[in-house]
Amino acid sequence: RKEVEQDPGPFNVPEGATVAFNCTYSNSASQSFFWYRQDCRKEPKLLMSVYSSGNEDGRFTAQLNRASQYISLLIRDSKLSDSATYLCVVGSGNTGKLIFGQGTTLQVKP
Amino acid sequence: DTGVSQDPRHKITKRGQNVTFRCDPISEHNRLYWYRQTLGQGPEFLTYFQNEAQLEKSRLLSDRFSAERPKGSFSTLEIQRTEQGDSAMYLCASSFGLQETQYFGPGTRLLVL
Repeated sequence: RKEVEQDPGPFNVPEGATVAFNCTYSNSASQSFFWYRQDCRKEPKLLMSVYSSGNEDGRFTAQLNRASQYISLLIRDSKLSDSATYLCVVGSGNTGKLIFGQGTTLQVKP
Repeated sequence: DTGVSQDPRHKITKRGQNVTFRCDPISEHNRLYWYRQTLGQGPEFLTYFQNEAQLEKSRLLSDRFSAERPKGSFSTLEIQRTEQGDSAMYLCASSFGLQETQYFGPGTRLLVL
C-alpha cells in the first residue's frame, strides 16, 4: 500500500466548476500536510499547507481529518490556469522529508 | 534569481556511463533534499542533508548512487554505471528548517539510452 494515495484522474471540468480532490495517508504519526501544484514538465510548487482547522486561500480550501487520515482540496470557480497536477504531500516529522501521492490531474476546459 | 538551481537541466547518456548532477540551494537554507520523479508518479525521496551531514538515505538509493554536500552549500548527486531504469527527473529542494517550506529546483531530466 502506498503511504499517500490519490485518485490520478484526470478530472475534466468546465470553467467555473467546483472540483474536489481527496487523498489518504497511512502513517498516523504524520505531522505536516500540504498540497503542491505541478505544471507539465515543471517542478512542484507549494499551493498550501493543510491544518486540522481547515484553511482557505482565495478559491482554494484545504481540510485535514486526522481521525480518518484524509486530506482534501476544494477548488471553486475553476480557471483555465488551474489546469495542472495536484500533489497531496505528507511531511515526515523527524526528517522533514516529503512523501508525495501520485498526483491528480485537473484539466479545466473553456 | 535567488531560487534553487540545478545543473544540467537535461542529460542524455548511454547505459553504463557515470553522470553527476549539481544543486545550488537557496542561500542560508541548511536542509537540502534530493527526490526522483518518474512519469505519472509523484516525487520519491532519495536523501537529505542538514548542513554537510547526510542524515538519511532511501532504500531507493542503491550503491550506484552517491550524494555529497561538502561545505554545506551546493550538493552533487552522482550515478555510476547508469541503467535505463535510472531515467527520471531528479529534483532538489531546500528549506531553512525542519518545518519550513521546501522549495524545489527545476530538476535535471535524465535519459539513459
